[in-house]
Amino acid sequence: NAGVTQTPKFRVLKTGQSMTLLCAQDMNHEYMYWYRQDPGMGLRLIHYSVGEGTTAKGEVPDGYNVSRLKKQNFLLGLESAAPSQTSVYFCASSVLAGSTDTQYFGPGTRLTVL
Amino acid sequence: AQSVTQPDIHITVSEGASLELRCNYSYGATPYLFWYVQSPGQGLQLLLKYFSGDTLVQGIKGFEAEFKRSQSSFNLRKPSVHWSDAAEYFCAVGGGGGADGLTFGKGTHLIIQP
Repeated sequence: NAGVTQTPKFRVLKTGQSMTLLCAQDMNHEYMYWYRQDPGMGLRLIHYSVGEGTTAKGEVPDGYNVSRLKKQNFLLGLESAAPSQTSVYFCASSVLAGSTDTQYFGPGTRLTVL
Repeated sequence: AQSVTQPDIHITVSEGASLELRCNYSYGATPYLFWYVQSPGQGLQLLLKYFSGDTLVQGIKGFEAEFKRSQSSFNLRKPSVHWSDAAEYFCAVGGGGGADGLTFGKGTHLIIQP
């Protein structure tokens, strides 16, 4: 099993450009999450999904959109990138609700917005 | 609202010495507590978790943590550190069965001196 994979690993954008980050998991998990990690801030939840076709906002959702058209994939979109979105983005998945279950993390995507 | 405090941003320990990383949490009900480790350039990996029962929990890589309800603490310990333990360590709290994931601390950066 590959576990949780993320594409791409690195990306540089100019302000105003758009992009989509792809997260895929092969563990048949229901729950999936997108976090961002900034220096000295720990991880903050952007959006999450409790199953195929569902999405919900987390702590810092502004400027991001997500979709979960297939159970194994969770996409994070930036419609108009801003320098404040420079960060490392992590995807995670879990069998049960994320507040009580082990989350499995991908390797991360490092995004720089110029 | 729930929160996690990791008082130490950086800790330096000599190889072979013992280690204790501090974590204090704030949560209104019975907490689910986690410690994750992030090696450089990698995603997060679960070290151990506490849900209920014995307040001393054992994890992978020789780590253990003790839940102390009276002190709202969940400190991570290891009797003898190895150079490969150099990493970022995150404490996280959850609970209540909510799908919106965990609240993470800001992390402690562990440096191992030879």
